[in-house]
Amino acid sequence: DTGVSQDPRHKITKRGQNVTFRCDPISEHNRLYWYRQTLGQGPEFLTYFQNEAQLEKSRLLSDRFSAERPKGSFSTLEIQRTEQGDSAMYLCASSPGGGSTDTQYFGPGTRLTVL
Amino acid sequence: SQQGEEDPQALSIQEGENATMNCSYKTSINNLQWYRQNSGRGLVHLILIRSNEREKHSGRLRVTLDTSKKSSSLLITASRAADTASYFCATDRRGGKLSFGAGTTVTVRA
Repeated sequence: DTGVSQDPRHKITKRGQNVTFRCDPISEHNRLYWYRQTLGQGPEFLTYFQNEAQLEKSRLLSDRFSAERPKGSFSTLEIQRTEQGDSAMYLCASSPGGGSTDTQYFGPGTRLTVL
Repeated sequence: SQQGEEDPQALSIQEGENATMNCSYKTSINNLQWYRQNSGRGLVHLILIRSNEREKHSGRLRVTLDTSKKSSSLLITASRAADTASYFCATDRRGGKLSFGAGTTVTVRA
């Protein structure tokens, strides 16, 4: 399978714990995006990378959230001191570049439940 | 903030019928994309239409774009049970950052 993969697919944690998610984009895709989706809503942009550089972060991304893409390949999203409001589906997407006709390919998502 | 808004929020049709859903947005765009999401799964890209295009087809899908009205429509012809899903429009204003609407939930009855 050469699509975008995410790990884990599901995560249940207690409030106050830290969690880390991983995303492996399609090989040679330069752009990598993180989105968050709550029940009944569309995905909301969190942040994106061009290779290893984090180019933009949404105001949704509080200080408890940090994302990295150290070698321009896979990315991690860490949430510290989780809160119940962090419960959501976290989606990763990748695209070849940043052109106006680039399609973003999404992974299956990581569903986070904070108890 | 979410720029796109889909209408209707939910749609129930009989297998074989056509399904039409609309998307409105607020600011100028580079392109508009439609995605499908099956319950609890990731998003599948359906079609991308550029801001200088007015209509695009892909299989049973037809997308229109009216930039003067800031709106788009997605038509699914001859619907099948497998088309049951949520459909989202997403606008790309700059840099590839997508803004999604809340989606239209389509149920195709056998």
